Amino acid sequence: ETGVTQTPRHLVMGMTNKKSLKCEQHLGHNAMYWYKQSAKKPLELMFVYSLEERVENNSVPSRFSPECPNSSHLFLHLHTLQPEDSALYLCASSHDREVPYGYTFGSGTRLTVV
Amino acid sequence: GENVEQHPSTLSVQEGDSAVIKCTYSDSASNYFPWYKQELGKRPQLIIDIRSNVGEKKDQRIAVTLNKTAKHFSLHITETQPEDSAVYFCAARYSGGSNYKLTFGKGTLLTVNP
Repeated sequence: ETGVTQTPRHLVMGMTNKKSLKCEQHLGHNAMYWYKQSAKKPLELMFVYSLEERVENNSVPSRFSPECPNSSHLFLHLHTLQPEDSALYLCASSHDREVPYGYTFGSGTRLTVV
Repeated sequence: GENVEQHPSTLSVQEGDSAVIKCTYSDSASNYFPWYKQELGKRPQLIIDIRSNVGEKKDQRIAVTLNKTAKHFSLHITETQPEDSAVYFCAARYSGGSNYKLTFGKGTLLTVNP
């Protein structure tokens, strides 16, 4: 494990389902991120949380709803998704303003919407 | 915001040859440039990074160079091995208002042929 744990690793859901992705880090980081990685697109930043406050929502549809109850946990709530939302969803964490600046990624959740 | 361009999108080399991947960035205020390696089905992992006050950094077979004037940076892998085969992402860190975040390039699929 890298210090950033994502669950579940795989998720298949229907378009009318509601599910949640979970991310947990114990690295003492104060910023957490959700990225979407599709087969033919680069890493797309979805949400940024710094000190538990959402500081960025990168034009993400409202069917994706993030939640950050504390600096160690991040959730992505999903509802009424579309097939094109099928992708690898990666969580990452970092020190927001300290060195090192690099992200530590989780292993991702492979989401399939049927 | 920041924009990161990465080239080439695919690169195939023979084992033992060198590989070079190049990235350009748009925001002159960007100050940190990490490189990530993502093997098939795995999470992106930080392999090397460089800060804006340094022109070159080396770690065994991997090196990164930065030209701040031209706003480009490159990853150099020498004596490539089959296990170097992966997708490589460059990124640039900049201050986006109230937070710092990484913008990623689109990735380079490196194939090292034995």
